Amino acid sequence: EAGVTQSPTHLIKTRGQQATLRCSPISGHTSVYWYQQALGLGLQFLLWYDEGEERNRGNFPPRFSGRQFPNYSSELNVNALELEDSALYLCASSLRAYSTDTQYFGPGTRLTVL
Amino acid sequence: AQKITQTQPGMFVQEKEAVTLDCTYDTSDPSYGLFWYKQPSSGEMIFLIYQGSYDQQNATEGRYSLNFQKARKSANLVISASQLGDSAMYFCAMREGATGTASKLTFGTGTRLQVTL
Repeated sequence: EAGVTQSPTHLIKTRGQQATLRCSPISGHTSVYWYQQALGLGLQFLLWYDEGEERNRGNFPPRFSGRQFPNYSSELNVNALELEDSALYLCASSLRAYSTDTQYFGPGTRLTVL
Repeated sequence: AQKITQTQPGMFVQEKEAVTLDCTYDTSDPSYGLFWYKQPSSGEMIFLIYQGSYDQQNATEGRYSLNFQKARKSANLVISASQLGDSAMYFCAMREGATGTASKLTFGTGTRLQVTL
């Protein structure tokens, strides 16, 4: 069974540009989560999508947005990039949205903003 | 207050020895899940083991076991027979609530484990 996949692996952008990151969940999983892992800040929850709807978002500005498609894959968009957006962005999926459900992570997209 | 506390920034262990990585948590929700993940230098978060708040027995998965002490709100990871490939960052995480509502994982700051010969 294929795991969570993310693309691209690396992304280099300049300040002010937009970045689009993609995630495909494990087959059968309906919940998709996005996390940011920036140096010195640890893993921070960004967004949660379930059944095509945004269910929760972390403490991030509105220029971080995304969506979930009918096939449950997801896209994270970061507008007006700033230097501090440089981070590893991890996508995870779970079968459902219960506290007992394990979130399985993809390999991440490393975003560098110059 | 920190929801997940990992007090050991770094740990060393000799190959074939056992090591315990500490994790304490804070929640008032009676239903929660506790998870441990491993993050090698490649960056991918690898799920290791899960413990539910209502589970009566400590979880085990191969060489990994979880020492769950609910009253003390601790969920320490024990790795037995350490291998060189165990060298990585280890994160403790918690997910609160029975269904949905705040379905995010809250992570600790991690412990970097180095296995030596």
